[in-house]
Amino acid sequence: DTGVSQDPRHKITKRGQNVTFRCDPISEHNRLYWYRQTLGQGPEFLTYFQNEAQLEKSRLLSDRFSAERPKGSFSTLEIQRTEQGDSAMYLCASSRRDGSYEQYFGPGTRLTVT
Amino acid sequence: QKEVEQNSGPLSVPEGAIASLNCTYSDRGSQSFFWYRQYSGKSPELIMSIYSNGDKEDGRFTAQLNKASQYVSLLIRDSQPSDSATYLCAVKETSGSRLTFGEGTQLTVNP
Repeated sequence: DTGVSQDPRHKITKRGQNVTFRCDPISEHNRLYWYRQTLGQGPEFLTYFQNEAQLEKSRLLSDRFSAERPKGSFSTLEIQRTEQGDSAMYLCASSRRDGSYEQYFGPGTRLTVT
Repeated sequence: QKEVEQNSGPLSVPEGAIASLNCTYSDRGSQSFFWYRQYSGKSPELIMSIYSNGDKEDGRFTAQLNKASQYVSLLIRDSQPSDSATYLCAVKETSGSRLTFGEGTQLTVNP
């Protein structure tokens, strides 16, 4: 049972550039989540998909952020016109639709905006 | 008031002792509670989930839930240096599937 995978693991970009991250969930999981974590804080929810439908979005998700999950498999998170405040660890998690809501995290993508 | 609050750390215990980590939450309707362990530079790892009042034991870990007091705790028995990490309490909101996390408690187990 392979875990959640994320790509890339690290990304350094200049302010104003666009970046895209990919998440592949655990194969039998139909729910996929994106969180953001900064140093010394717990993860903050960004958005959630059930299959291909985006069911929840945080107010943190400004119009520069967009997420997709075509065909209900992998997901991408795009940040347009990056700002230094976007520097964080971007975490993807997945869970089964079994009522347990146990979420399993991938290794994360560390974004540094210079 | 923060939605999920954890006891401020860092917490330091000697090897072999019991480490006690506490968490309170504000959403009275929450039904699902989780403890994650996060090593420095790594992502959170799920170690316990609890849904009913009382205790749930898994090896050296015991999660305790009191919904009336809106309180969740994690006990680590026979603490080992390898338990040194940040422990995150997470609560599923009443509606939806998102988890709300506390800021975490950093635990150090001294040999």
